Amino acid sequence: KQEVTQIPAALSVPEGENLVLNCSFTDSAIYNLQWFRQDPGKGLTSLLLIQSSQREQTSGRLNASLDKSSGRSTLYIAASQPGDSATYLCAVEAAGNKLTFGGGTRVLVKP
Amino acid sequence: EAQVTQNPRYLITVTGKKLTVTCSQNMNHEYMSWYRQDPGLGLRQIYYSMNVEVTDKGDVPEGYKVSRKEKRNFPLILESPSPNQTSLYFCASGTRRETQYFGPGTRLLVL
Repeated sequence: KQEVTQIPAALSVPEGENLVLNCSFTDSAIYNLQWFRQDPGKGLTSLLLIQSSQREQTSGRLNASLDKSSGRSTLYIAASQPGDSATYLCAVEAAGNKLTFGGGTRVLVKP
Repeated sequence: EAQVTQNPRYLITVTGKKLTVTCSQNMNHEYMSWYRQDPGLGLRQIYYSMNVEVTDKGDVPEGYKVSRKEKRNFPLILESPSPNQTSLYFCASGTRRETQYFGPGTRLLVL
């Protein structure tokens, strides 16, 4: 059974510092990995999708890497801003047509 | 605007009173799914649908029903709600193995 873990569960950084968020998964037979952002009481917003054949994806200040063989993905957010404060979730899609989510990392960027 | 909508956004009900949470998407997606989010348990899939008239169970289907009579709609039905179904519910749609789009969530309290 696929398990997805995100460590740390919470992270606090000063504004301007780079953020590094980690995601690990137990079964490397995945189709893709997706990073989401969730604001308190709100829905999930997709940030980046990395297909299993890809090593990384970039969008603006965000960069996500994928190492399928070791079961790891990292989301980098450059030059963090207070508006980046949110919970970040990673999810893998595998056989069975579902996303398996990690528990999330709650990020606070202090001005 | 491409979006997934859910109604109602907030609902308080009593044990045993049947309810339906609607989900609609305007992106012509074949794939739709329902998740619940609980503290400490993360997001878990309830049901999914690959296309019209095709539905299947996710990880936590007990106590829920779904139907997919039209491509754009995927209602979640609780025939006899119980307090352990108090949760935050999300509908999602997408193309298989591509980005999943989530609705804003429905917060349900069952007394």
